[in-house]
Amino acid sequence: LAKTTQPISMDSYEGQEVNITCSHNNIATNDYITWYQQFPSQGPRFIIQGYKTKVTNEVASLFIPADRKSSTLSLPRVSLSDTAVYYCLVGDRGTASKLTFGTGTRLQVTL
Amino acid sequence: GAVVSQHPSRVICKSGTSVKIECRSLDFQATTMFWYRQFPKQSLMLMATSNEGSKATYEQGVEKDKFLINHASLTLSTLTVTSAHPEDSSFYICSASGLGGTEAFFGQGTRLTVV
Repeated sequence: LAKTTQPISMDSYEGQEVNITCSHNNIATNDYITWYQQFPSQGPRFIIQGYKTKVTNEVASLFIPADRKSSTLSLPRVSLSDTAVYYCLVGDRGTASKLTFGTGTRLQVTL
Repeated sequence: GAVVSQHPSRVICKSGTSVKIECRSLDFQATTMFWYRQFPKQSLMLMATSNEGSKATYEQGVEKDKFLINHASLTLSTLTVTSAHPEDSSFYICSASGLGGTEAFFGQGTRLTVV
C-alpha cells in the first residue's frame, strides 16, 4: 500500500475554504485515493474518493493532477463542526476496507 | 449509506478479565471486516482482518491469542480482548464493506479502559 504524507495540522477561520494536500509518490496504477474524516471518539467517516482529475460531492472536492502523485481535498466554507482529523489513503479499490492510515491532518476551525 | 454498529461504545473492566466487542453490519453483508486500534492522539492501526467462516488474519505484532476474533455470520464479527491489562486500554474500531464495495464503513468505536 502506498504511503501518504500530509501536514500534521492546519488552522482556519470559519467561512474560509480549506485545502489539504496529500503526497503519495508511490501510488500504483490500480490505486484510488480516498479521504476520511474523524471526530474525537468516533470512527472515521468517508468523505470522497477519486482516481484522477476532479471529483465533487455535496461535502467536498478532490483534485488529482495527471501524475496522481498528490491530491488535494478542498472543503468550501468550513464551519466549526468541520474541526476534525482528515486522513488521505490510497489503495486498490478492491480492498477498500483494508486501509493503512497515516498521521492525518488535524484541522482546527475557529471563529 | 451503509451502517456498521459497534457494541458497547464504552467499557471499563478489571485487569485480568476478558471483554467482548461486537461489530455488526446492519444493512449489508460483509464477508470481511477489519479491526483497528487507536491510541490517544495517534492514527488508526490495523490489527486484524476478520473473515466470515474462517480464521482471522493478524497483522505483525498483534497477538492472536490475546485478541480473539470470531466472524460467525455475514453481519457479525466479535473481538475479545482476553486477560486485559491497562496497556490494552484503547479505542477499538471495526470496519466493513459490502460485496464488491469500494468504500469502507466504520463503526462508532469502543472505548476500552482497563483498571
